[in-house]
Amino acid sequence: ETGVTQTPRHLVMGMTNKKSLKCEQHLGHNAMYWYKQSAKKPLELMFVYNFKEQTENNSVPSRFSPECPNSSHLFLHLHTLQPEDSALYLCASSRRARQARGEKLFFGSGTQLSVL
Amino acid sequence: QKEVEQDPGPLSVPEGAIVSLNCTYSNSAFQYFMWYRQYSRKGPELLMYTYSSGNKEDGRFTAQVDKSSKYISLFIRDSQPSDSATYLCAMNFRSGAGGTSYGKLTFGQGTILTVHP
Repeated sequence: ETGVTQTPRHLVMGMTNKKSLKCEQHLGHNAMYWYKQSAKKPLELMFVYNFKEQTENNSVPSRFSPECPNSSHLFLHLHTLQPEDSALYLCASSRRARQARGEKLFFGSGTQLSVL
Repeated sequence: QKEVEQDPGPLSVPEGAIVSLNCTYSNSAFQYFMWYRQYSRKGPELLMYTYSSGNKEDGRFTAQVDKSSKYISLFIRDSQPSDSATYLCAMNFRSGAGGTSYGKLTFGQGTILTVHP
């Protein structure tokens, strides 16, 4: 398995359910990210955490709630989602979020989410 | 206008062909350019990283950046069926105090490539 592990790989949920996505990185990185990948659309950055502190919320609806208890773990709590939220949710990490020469991100395999 | 334009393809080539993948961008502040490869049901993996105009070579892969034209390319020589994947260009820029960035990569839509035997 890669240095960034995401669970579950697939998730089907109803609009009234509450579920959580989990991400764990084994690379010793200090920054973690959530990206959304929808069909025929570019990857969209959702949240950035640097040393457990949220540094970026890219205007994400409140039905998505991130949590970063430490630099190795990242969660995305989901509640009352809409069918248009169906997508591949990717977790990524990098050595740190503040780098003078841009980021090299390492991605997990993602969670394919379907909202019915 | 999208910040990053990338032809989604699909692109189908015979084994051994030279593949050319391209992206154009509109924001001249972009300074760092990357190519990611994404296999089906997998996350993207970093393939090439460059921050200057010109060419960078790594095995069968060559990344080319032309900042004056806001155009980047990825060339794959002697393409193999194992190169079949979606190729994503990505870029970011210095932002915030001290010239740092926050992983705010801007991605292209991705080009689906199939190399057939």
